Amino acid sequence: DAGVTQSPTHLIKTRGQQVTLRCSPKSGHDTVSWYQQALGQGPQFIFQYYEEEERQRGNFPDRFSGHQFPNYSSELNVNALLLGDSALYLCASITRGGKGYTFGSGTRLTVV
Amino acid sequence: SQQGEEDPQALSIQEGENATMNCSYKTSINNLQWYRQNSGRGLVHLILIRSNEREKHSGRLRVTLDTSKKSSSLLITASRAADTASYFCATASYSGGGADGLTFGKGTHLIIQP
Repeated sequence: DAGVTQSPTHLIKTRGQQVTLRCSPKSGHDTVSWYQQALGQGPQFIFQYYEEEERQRGNFPDRFSGHQFPNYSSELNVNALLLGDSALYLCASITRGGKGYTFGSGTRLTVV
Repeated sequence: SQQGEEDPQALSIQEGENATMNCSYKTSINNLQWYRQNSGRGLVHLILIRSNEREKHSGRLRVTLDTSKKSSSLLITASRAADTASYFCATASYSGGGADGLTFGKGTHLIIQP
């Protein structure tokens, strides 16, 4: 049974560019959350998608947007990249009523 | 912003010893969860404790929660080299369901010496 799959694993972008990260949730999970983890820090909640709608959002600017598809997979888009956006981006999935998220291995984004 | 702080930031013990990590948080919560992360990759869910519970056990893990002090502790008994990782507490404060977005602390880096 595949867990959460994220792509790509590594990405280098130039400041000002846009990036799209992708996530396939664990089979049977319908809710997807995205987190940003800077080096040496804990993950920070970006937003959560359920039934193709953004349900909760953390303290992130509108440059961060997302989407959930009918098959529950999700995308994270970041516009106008800043150097400070360099981080590990983690996708996590769960089913409503679940007791803990399943995390993917993350996408390491480097902005130069 | 980070919800809470783990203490200590780093912990090094001998294999076989017990490891205790503490977590403090700031706001009211519905549940608190502990996760493990190896080498900066994905996190693994360890245990969830609800705000009306005081203690839970899972294998070699024991978690306590004191909502009056807004704190939690994670005890790993009979540590093994494979327990070397970073450990994070995370709180859910929205609707109370297990699917809430989580607020993580900064983590405790645990090193088990063989």
